[in-house]
Amino acid sequence: QVQLVQSGAEVRKPGASVKLSCRTSGYPFTTTYLLWVRQAPGQGLEWMGIIHPGDGTATYAQKFLGRVTLTRDTSTTTAYMELNSLTSEDTALYYCARANPETNCEKSSCALAYWGQGTLVTVSS
Amino acid sequence: EIVLTQSPSTLSLSPGERATLSCRASQSVSTYLAWYQQRPGQSPRLLIYDASNRATGVPARFSGSGSGTDFTLTISSLEPEDFAIYFCHQRTNWPPSFTFGPGTTVDI
Repeated sequence: QVQLVQSGAEVRKPGASVKLSCRTSGYPFTTTYLLWVRQAPGQGLEWMGIIHPGDGTATYAQKFLGRVTLTRDTSTTTAYMELNSLTSEDTALYYCARANPETNCEKSSCALAYWGQGTLVTVSS
Repeated sequence: EIVLTQSPSTLSLSPGERATLSCRASQSVSTYLAWYQQRPGQSPRLLIYDASNRATGVPARFSGSGSGTDFTLTISSLEPEDFAIYFCHQRTNWPPSFTFGPGTTVDI
């Protein structure tokens, strides 16, 4: 079955960087877009970026431009999200999610059909 | 950036009742809208994609409708496990931009 397994919780000081992983299995890794979404404590969902694992092309939300980088390793079917210049406002649960394979993401809502369990990132001095 | 507004923010109902949740976009998103359910301590779960299509395994009591700027998620008869937070989500342009609504809490 399709699985997205994310790396464990991280604690960082302000100004530091963090790199999270999302190991996928159960489907052809290069065929479907992956997105990263975060959720601050008690808050809603916020889109950060999208990557096509096939060619590595990534698009980022305006808010995170210059501070986030999405990459992937096709040999291990793992996606990565690196966020720099952390502040306390980056304390959140970070999710990776796979776009719905039943539709063409570029011609649909690109809904997120499969989600990882989330990685908690805490930024504190 | 397209802003999604959800109403009401909280919906207090009982099992067996009908729930009607609204999501309004600041400009047209065609049918590029999805709905998710999030229970406490869990990752979101896709319910509806492209405004009106139920995702695999989603019970028939969940239905979505709408296009353009106004969308509705209906739960025809609430089950105990349906008490959760519901988010809408839209995608526009390519390269894409995505936004989520602030959520509606359905509680007892």
